[in-house]
Amino acid sequence: IAGITQAPTSQILAAGRRMTLRCTQDMRHNAMYWYRQDLGLGLRLIHYSNTAGTTGKGEVPDGYSVSRANTDDFPLTLASAVPSQTSVYFCASSVGRGGSYEQYFGPGTRLTVT
Amino acid sequence: GENVEQHPSTLSVQEGDSAVIKCTYSDSASNYFPWYKQELGKGPQLIIDIRSNVGEKKDQRIAVTLNKTAKHFSLHITETQPEDSAVYFCAATPGYNFNKFYFGSGTKLNVKP
Repeated sequence: IAGITQAPTSQILAAGRRMTLRCTQDMRHNAMYWYRQDLGLGLRLIHYSNTAGTTGKGEVPDGYSVSRANTDDFPLTLASAVPSQTSVYFCASSVGRGGSYEQYFGPGTRLTVT
Repeated sequence: GENVEQHPSTLSVQEGDSAVIKCTYSDSASNYFPWYKQELGKGPQLIIDIRSNVGEKKDQRIAVTLNKTAKHFSLHITETQPEDSAVYFCAATPGYNFNKFYFGSGTKLNVKP
């Protein structure tokens, strides 16, 4: 069982370019999340999805968009990257029901916007 | 929204000693408090969690305490080992939206052999 996979592992991106970070889970979890991790700031929620077909805004959604066409995939898109979006991005999933709220995190994508 | 503060930012202990990491939160509606451990180059992993109807929870060398009146909760690691060295994050989430987790800024724990 792979759990959660993210791609790419790392990327250097020119400012103004469009980029999609991919996230796939094989645990059939209902809920999925995108976080960014910056030094000294911990993890901040960008967007989340309770179930396929629904999405919601987190703490820092500006400049990012997501879609949830099916249970397994939750891509994050930067329409026009800016240097302040340089960060490590983590995708996570959770069962999202029945009192279980443990989040399972992917290995992360390190993004540098120049 | 919720504001979670975590202290200290770094903690260095001798192997075998205890380590304590503290977090405070602002939203009295928060009722679920997980702790995550992040090893270098990996994603965070849940190590223990506590609900608001419980004051303390233990799992072998790890324990978490919660004081809802004071809005703070703590992670206690006893008999620390070098493999406990990692970054630890606390988090809180309000009961009305279990999808919105608010994380502390992290504590880098170094256990010296």
